Amino acid sequence: KQEVTQIPAALSVPEGENLVLNCSFTDSAIYNLQWFRQDPGKGLTSLLLIQSSQREQTSGRLNASLDKSSGRSTLYIAASQPGDSATYLCAVLNRDDKIIFGKGTRLHILP
Amino acid sequence: GAGVSQTPSNKVTEKGKYVELRCDPISGHTALYWYRQSLGQGPEFLIYFQGTGAADDSGLPNDRFFAVRPEGSVSTLKIQRTERGDSAVYLCASSLRGSDIQYFGAGTRLSVL
Repeated sequence: KQEVTQIPAALSVPEGENLVLNCSFTDSAIYNLQWFRQDPGKGLTSLLLIQSSQREQTSGRLNASLDKSSGRSTLYIAASQPGDSATYLCAVLNRDDKIIFGKGTRLHILP
Repeated sequence: GAGVSQTPSNKVTEKGKYVELRCDPISGHTALYWYRQSLGQGPEFLIYFQGTGAADDSGLPNDRFFAVRPEGSVSTLKIQRTERGDSAVYLCASSLRGSDIQYFGAGTRLSVL
């Protein structure tokens, strides 16, 4: 059974710092891995999607990597801003077409 | 519409009542998913439709939960005899096909008093 773990559960950093969020999964037979952002009381916004054949994806200040064989992904956020404060969810799309989510990392950027 | 639409955005009900939650997927998307997100947790899979049929309903917690998609577009999640533990945000997502990117709605926040 696929399990997705995110570390840390919460993180507070001063504005301007670079930071890394970690995600691990137990079953490497996935179609893709996705990082989402969720603001309080809101739905999910897809940030980056990495197909199983890819190693990384970049969008602006965000870079996500995927090491499928070791079951790990990282989300790198450069030059953090207060507007980056949110919960970041990692999710894998299994071969049975189900998305399995981690519990998320609550990020707080201190102005 | 341009995205996945869920109604209502908020629903407050009393224990024991029946509720229906609606999801309008992106036009042309054949796959539709329901997830439930409890406070402090990631979303958990409930049920997946491919067209009109439920391809996988293994995430439904018990027989009080049921979902339909009669015409392969709009879906309704139905909860009978609601319990306080059913309080959560119910998220809907759709994709063009089963293994494609899933686009999420804003969710329905259900509160059972």
